[in-house]
Amino acid sequence: EIVLTQSPGILSLSPGERATLSCRASQRVSASYLAWYQQKPGQAPRVLFYGASNRATGIPDRFSGSGSGTDFTLTISRLEPEDFAVYYCQQYGGTPLFTFGPGTKVD
Amino acid sequence: QVQLQESGPGLVRPSGTLSLTCTVSGGSFSSFYWCWIRQPPGGGLEWLGYIHNTGSTNYNPSLKSRVSISLDTSKNQFSLKLTSAIAADTAIYYCARASRNHYYSLDVWGQGTTVTVSS
Repeated sequence: EIVLTQSPGILSLSPGERATLSCRASQRVSASYLAWYQQKPGQAPRVLFYGASNRATGIPDRFSGSGSGTDFTLTISRLEPEDFAVYYCQQYGGTPLFTFGPGTKVD
Repeated sequence: QVQLQESGPGLVRPSGTLSLTCTVSGGSFSSFYWCWIRQPPGGGLEWLGYIHNTGSTNYNPSLKSRVSISLDTSKNQFSLKLTSAIAADTAIYYCARASRNHYYSLDVWGQGTTVTVSS
């Protein structure tokens, strides 16, 4: 099983600051099958990035995704009030096929 | 624009069967993987399984033989069945779509439906 570890668990920042979120996999994630999601209270998750660095439709360019192999990063260059949420990474290809990290709350 | 909508009972008795349906509107079933994901209260996300438009399925081994997913293309629906329900199955259940073109990310989600397992 590919286990995803996200750090930090909680990131306390203010609007305008830069946020750097980490996702580390226990084994190599093949073909960069790594995605990032944002979830706000009472809402379903929304995809931000697929293939580690491909921005999904409608996602502002203050969000960026990078990484390969076992280490991946989501960066928010300047936090807007609407960016305070929980962020999950997700991989495809292991067993089970889809697994999620435990999430990072940007507070 | 593709939209997904979950439906089904909000309360399931322990040892009963949890049954949910996801209705797909505004798009085709072709070439996509139709998934079920759940989120316990205050918890993280757990993928339960998928069904491809060809009918092939793949399930999370942690659920062993309790889970099954079926497809009804005539109704634009796919369904989840989880047998022998226990309290730990209490969660928000989401249906979602994954595509190979988007590196198997889940690009469309339903709004989710809350299921409580309790007597």
